[in-house]
This record gives sequence, structure tokens and C-alpha cells, in this order.
Amino acid sequence: NAGVTQTPKFQVLKTGQSMTLQCAQDMNHNSMYWYRQDPGMGLRLIYYSASEGTTDKGEVPNGYNVSRLNKREFSLRLESAAPSQTSVYFCASSAVGRGTEAFFGQGTRLTVV
Amino acid sequence: AQTVTQSQPEMSVQEAETVTLSCTYDTSESDYYLFWYKQPPSRQMILVIRQEAYKQQNATENRFSVNFQKAAKSFSLKISDSQLGDAAMYFCAYRSETGAQKLVFGQGTRLTINP
Repeated sequence: NAGVTQTPKFQVLKTGQSMTLQCAQDMNHNSMYWYRQDPGMGLRLIYYSASEGTTDKGEVPNGYNVSRLNKREFSLRLESAAPSQTSVYFCASSAVGRGTEAFFGQGTRLTVV
Repeated sequence: AQTVTQSQPEMSVQEAETVTLSCTYDTSESDYYLFWYKQPPSRQMILVIRQEAYKQQNATENRFSVNFQKAAKSFSLKISDSQLGDAAMYFCAYRSETGAQKLVFGQGTRLTINP
């Protein structure tokens, strides 16, 4: 099983460019998440989706949009990239149920110059 | 909003010794889970252990155990008989079991194992 797959793994953008980070899971999970990881700040939640068609802002949503295309896919879009968005981005998913484990993708290292 | 705080950016321990990583959290809810995740240099996130807030008994998984103090909102991780493979970033996380089940992480603690 592939689990959670993120693409791309690495990306360099110029300030002002746009891009979409793709995430897909094959575990039939309802919940999906996007995080960014920065040194000393842990993983901060950008957006969360409890199910297909629903999304909810996390701690740091500004500058990002998301789309829960279907149950499998949850994409993150940067409309106009800024250097402050340089980070490692993780997608995760989890099943409905008490204390269920979150499964993570391998991460995308994004650099905005 | 719920917050999770890890006040130790870095910790180190001698191989075979015991180390404790600290975590505190803030919430007004009563129904939640707490987790510890490990992130080795590969960047993969790995679940180490989880604790249900309603359970008073501390969770244990082999060499990993927690000290859950609900009133104090404290959730520390104890690693016994530390091994070189335990070297990683460790993240404490909180998830409400009511309403939106957002998973909130702390800042992380980098654990170094000295041979």
C-alpha cells in the first residue's frame, strides 16, 4: 500500500508564482490535513478536512487555499508564493474513530526565492 | 484553541540510559487523545504512543511509556534503555474527540543518543 503520497518532493518557486501541492491517500480515510514544518515551530496546521467537500482553517491558513477533490485527494494551493512560505509541507490522513493514528506523507520541501 | 508546548528544544542521553521528554497542553475539553510522534532524519512521522484522556492508567509500548497528569495538563514521554535508533525529533500532539478532530502539535524536542 502506498499510504499517503505527496507530490512533488522538492520545489523551488520565485516570489509571486503559484503552485499546487498534491496529496492522495489510499486508506479510505475521511480526515485529511495539511501542515507546515519550520525549525523550532513544530508542525503547524494549515487546513483540515473532516470529509469530502468540507474544509476548515487551521492555525496558519493565510496565503493558502485547499480543495478536497474527493475522498482520496486533498490539494494545497499557493496563489502568490512568498519567501515566508519556504517550509516543509506535510499532508496527513486519519480514519474516523477514537484515537486513530494519523498517517503522513513524505513531505514537500518548498523554497521560495 | 488548544495549544501544545514542548519546552525542551533539545535533549541528549547516553545509550542504555533513560530520558524523559516533557509536554504540556491547554484545553477546556474533557474528551481528547494525546500522542507522541517520532520523526527520524528520513522525515517520516511515526506514531510512538497514544493516551486517552479518560483513562487514568498510563500507556506503555515496550520501552516507551507516558506520565499523564490530567489535572496538571502534562504528558511526558519516558524512553527506557535508549538506543541509537531512538535519535529523532519527538512531537507531542493533541486531538479533540468532539467536534472538529484537528491534530495539534507541539514545537518538538530533538533527542540525541550518545554512544
